[in-house]
Amino acid sequence: DTGVSQDPRHKITKRGQNVTFRCDPISEHNRLYWYRQTLGQGPEFLTYFQNEAQLEKSRLLSDRFSAERPKGSFSTLEIQRTEQGDSAMYLCASSTTGTGDGYTFGSGTRLTVV
Amino acid sequence: KQEVTQIPAALSVPEGENLVLNCSFTDSAIYNLQWFRQDPGKGLTSLLLIQSSQREQTSGRLNASLDKSSGRSTLYIAASQPGDSATYLCAVPSSASKIIFGSGTRLSIRP
Repeated sequence: DTGVSQDPRHKITKRGQNVTFRCDPISEHNRLYWYRQTLGQGPEFLTYFQNEAQLEKSRLLSDRFSAERPKGSFSTLEIQRTEQGDSAMYLCASSTTGTGDGYTFGSGTRLTVV
Repeated sequence: KQEVTQIPAALSVPEGENLVLNCSFTDSAIYNLQWFRQDPGKGLTSLLLIQSSQREQTSGRLNASLDKSSGRSTLYIAASQPGDSATYLCAVPSSASKIIFGSGTRLSIRP
């Protein structure tokens, strides 16, 4: 197991375009999380899945954002009609059920909207 | 509502010094506390995870302590090296579903 994988590492897009990011969690982890991080700040929670069910969404996740985790394996995060304010690092993490084992993060996807 | 604060926001020290990074949290009812390292433009690497029943954890030159009653944790780095330069983040669970991060301490070790 190579840890949490995120693809792509970097994405530059024009304002108004749609983008999709992928996250592959550690295989035995049934929880998957998406966070967003802007420059100089700590990561902020966006949403999380337990298996295929999306159980919580932050108010940061506007209706332009959608996340899926079909079959409880990899997850995708799509941003529609991107805005310059969406420019950030998008981080994915996974964990086992409960909070006892901590979180493992991927390397992130850096989004730049021009 | 859980809030996490890290002080200082930035720290620059000469190589070889021992140093302490601070993390405080407002709700002491936590399951654990996790320290991460983040290099510029990169993801997060977990350094240490302290369970609520533990007082400290050690990994190499790193030692993290936890005082739940006072809502504080410290990360001690011994004999600092230029390769330790990075941003250090602490995080605590705010519920069963997510962790809350501080804004981090940006550490620079001068050769």
